[in-house]
Amino acid sequence: DIVMTQSPDSLAVSLGERATINCKSSQSVLHSSNNKNYLAWYQQKPGQPPKLLIYWASTRESGVPDRFSGSGSGTDFTLTISSLQAEDVAVYYCQQYYSTPPTLTFGQGTRLEIK
Amino acid sequence: EVQLVESGGGLVQPGGSLRLSCVASGFTFRSYEINWVRQAPGKGLEWLSYISSSGSTIYYSDSVKGRFTISRDIAKNSLYLQMNSLRAEDTAVYYCAKVAVPGFYYFDYWGQGTLVTVSS
Repeated sequence: DIVMTQSPDSLAVSLGERATINCKSSQSVLHSSNNKNYLAWYQQKPGQPPKLLIYWASTRESGVPDRFSGSGSGTDFTLTISSLQAEDVAVYYCQQYYSTPPTLTFGQGTRLEIK
Repeated sequence: EVQLVESGGGLVQPGGSLRLSCVASGFTFRSYEINWVRQAPGKGLEWLSYISSSGSTIYYSDSVKGRFTISRDIAKNSLYLQMNSLRAEDTAVYYCAKVAVPGFYYFDYWGQGTLVTVSS
């Protein structure tokens, strides 16, 4: 199975500052057939289900504010929030979908708080 | 508006059974693969099971294989998860999640979840 490892486990950032979350996969999730990275990012607020933010490593889901961006390729990926807002307090997860079911895997999550 | 609504959770004793349901609306249910994902209290997300749009292809994680059964009823726009031989470690919120694009396994819509508690 592809293991997804996020860093840090938790992060405190001041309002208006940049937040950066990393995700590393144990093997490449870049598919040679279409040159796409099979990597998604989700945001989960307390008591809510996860919400899709980013797919194909860098494509923002419709309605997601443009302060959220994804980057990276192969095995190393980053979710960046350019200017942290209070409503961004949440746990963020990466997920690889390179390996089809039954081996879909998520990172362990990164908790983002306000400093 | 796309909606996924889970039900059927509750308190069950170890070794017991429970059947979860997920009713879908707002999209062409028969065209999309649906998955079950769970989240133990205070923990991360764990993928559990997948069913293809037709229901002909099914997968399970090793943690539930042989104990859980996924199914879908196209006529009722519903997905099910029959859970048998439940263990304390199955305690979690169970989500159904729709793939965004058929054949690509990232999830654009999730239900609100239903809590399963396995305890004596």
